[in-house]
Amino acid sequence: AQSVTQLDSQVPVFEEAPVELRCNYSSSVSVYLFWYVQYPNQGLQLLLKYLSGSTLVESINGFEAEFNKSQTSFHLRKPSVHISDTAEYFCAVTRTSYDKVIFGPGTSLSVIP
Amino acid sequence: ETGVTQSPTHLIKTRGQQVTLRCSSQSGHNTVSWYQQALGQGPQFIFQYYREEENGRGNFPPRFSGLQFPNYSSELNVNALELDDSALYLCASSSNTRGGPADTQYFGPGTRLTVL
Repeated sequence: AQSVTQLDSQVPVFEEAPVELRCNYSSSVSVYLFWYVQYPNQGLQLLLKYLSGSTLVESINGFEAEFNKSQTSFHLRKPSVHISDTAEYFCAVTRTSYDKVIFGPGTSLSVIP
Repeated sequence: ETGVTQSPTHLIKTRGQQVTLRCSSQSGHNTVSWYQQALGQGPQFIFQYYREEENGRGNFPPRFSGLQFPNYSSELNVNALELDDSALYLCASSSNTRGGPADTQYFGPGTRLTVL
């Protein structure tokens, strides 16, 4: 069975500072990995995904994540955060297009002015 | 391109009642997945429908049921509501090919269900 761990439930960070949100997964087979963001009272939006190829993936708003198979991690990073990045971030994993998506418990990112 | 829509946005029911939630998938998508997100938690997979057939189910009792229509829209039905069913119910659509790689799931805004 697969599982996703997000060790940090809350991450406060000052505006323009760098941030890393940690994600570790457990699976006995190859997986696909995703980061979703949820703003207050809204649904989930895809931030970025790793399906294959380059282990470093980037989003259009400055976030990046690196797939590390040996450490079973997919940490999310941004070199300089903005107030608008305040949201809940979920790491997720799935095996195939027909498998359920397993979500982590989420990390609440709060950007302090 | 129309995104995923859900109705209603909010719903209040009492224990023992039944509820139906609706989801319209994104244009061109053939798969719909339903998730329950309790307050402060990550979404939990309920079930998935591919081309009108159930294609996987999470750890939810049979009183959670669903269906998918020929236009790929979907319904989630919950019978005999319990207080713990209070949550945000999310629907996600994707375009899948049997045996193919995982496709991105696009989520709707959710339906907030409150059971009193």
